[in-house]
Amino acid sequence: NAGVTQTPKFRILKIGQSMTLQCTQDMNHNYMYWYRQDPGMGLKLIYYSVGAGITDKGEVPNGYNVSRSTTEDFPLRLELAAPSQTSVYFCASSYPTGLNTEAFFGQGTRLTVV
Amino acid sequence: DQQVKQNSPSLSVQEGRISILNCDYTNSMFDYFLWYKKYPAEGPTFLISISSIKDKNEDGRFTVFLNKSAKHLSLHIVPSQPGDSAVYFCAASGEGETSGSRLTFGEGTQLTVNP
Repeated sequence: NAGVTQTPKFRILKIGQSMTLQCTQDMNHNYMYWYRQDPGMGLKLIYYSVGAGITDKGEVPNGYNVSRSTTEDFPLRLELAAPSQTSVYFCASSYPTGLNTEAFFGQGTRLTVV
Repeated sequence: DQQVKQNSPSLSVQEGRISILNCDYTNSMFDYFLWYKKYPAEGPTFLISISSIKDKNEDGRFTVFLNKSAKHLSLHIVPSQPGDSAVYFCAASGEGETSGSRLTFGEGTQLTVNP
């Protein structure tokens, strides 16, 4: 019963470096999401995917890229890290049934860009 | 443009009393509302939800009320327990079929239940 697993849990990046945040889920959910949470703020949607091979921008997509080659995995790529990308990143998945859109979240990745 | 708003950053209550957390929204397309609970260093976990066709949903100590005309919902916790101390997020979904069932979150309210 792993649910949604994110790696790494913590990372410090230098400005201009790149990295990939990994996310995998074992619930066979078709929908997956990436959110970021800044201090004192709610979660903001970066990108989402409604199925393998399909991705779309959320509210704050600039500076990020995603891919969805399998149902299980939804990695988030930062190409040129900037201090404004210092945040906690959460991956989530869901299997909407009717109006029910409950999403299950991973434990988060705390990223600091210096 | 904050479509889901929680105006109280924090709330402190005594153990055994009622906790009331409030949430307002502006987008009339939202048709499903959820409350999430978040402990430090963990991801949000689902607590309770309500669809727009209802005005109340109850699950044990937790009740969510929805007032569609006022675009307002609230979460009641009775009785409050110290283990309820966490950040509570209000979220909404339902902006149409192309939304991917994505959730729009409020800023969160830090609830502290004092023994």
